[in-house]
Amino acid sequence: AAGVIQSPRHLIKEKRETATLKCYPIPRHDTVYWYQQGPGQDPQFLISFYEKMQSDKGSIPDRFSAQQFSDYHSELNMSSLELGDSALYFCASSLERTPYEQYFGPGTRLTVT
Amino acid sequence: AQSVSQHNHHVILSEAASLELGCNYSYGGTVNLFWYVQYPGQHLQLLLKYFSGDPLVKGIKGFEAEFIKSKFSFNLRKPSVQWSDTAEYFCAVSAGGYNKLIFGAGTRLAVHP
Repeated sequence: AAGVIQSPRHLIKEKRETATLKCYPIPRHDTVYWYQQGPGQDPQFLISFYEKMQSDKGSIPDRFSAQQFSDYHSELNMSSLELGDSALYFCASSLERTPYEQYFGPGTRLTVT
Repeated sequence: AQSVSQHNHHVILSEAASLELGCNYSYGGTVNLFWYVQYPGQHLQLLLKYFSGDPLVKGIKGFEAEFIKSKFSFNLRKPSVQWSDTAEYFCAVSAGGYNKLIFGAGTRLAVHP
């Protein structure tokens, strides 16, 4: 069965650079969630989208923005990168009518040097 | 604010030993509870979930969890662990009509042959 796809899988950036992470949900899933997992930490909710609209917002820095497109894929844009942004960024998708069944992607490991 | 506490950060067991990982949450209303597993280098996978009904929930790979409302707990159990169960286990909750998942800090399980 098709799973959540994230690209790139690994990304290395320098401080103050920008990064764009992409998430392609499971086909027919209309809701996308972004989570950040720092080294040795639990995943923290950043933001979610349903039908291209932001549905919930967590501890997402102002330097980050995200959107969902008409094909339901989502992009997380990160600017003025800081060392502390180094983390594993997970995307999860679900159907709006079954929001609790979130399926996670493999994650993008971002390293800021 | 909602929070999830996992009692053990590291657990070491021998194969065939029984496992119980503790999870407590803080939220007075209706909650949905989850256990996720993260194998080394892999993404989060759903082990089991509780929405309503029978408080004893069976999941994949022989895992089960019991929801005890009076104790705000959702402990994960497995009668006999295997080396392949070596992974990190996260308890998570969604509540208050929000779909985002709040994760515990995780328990790193090492099973020795």
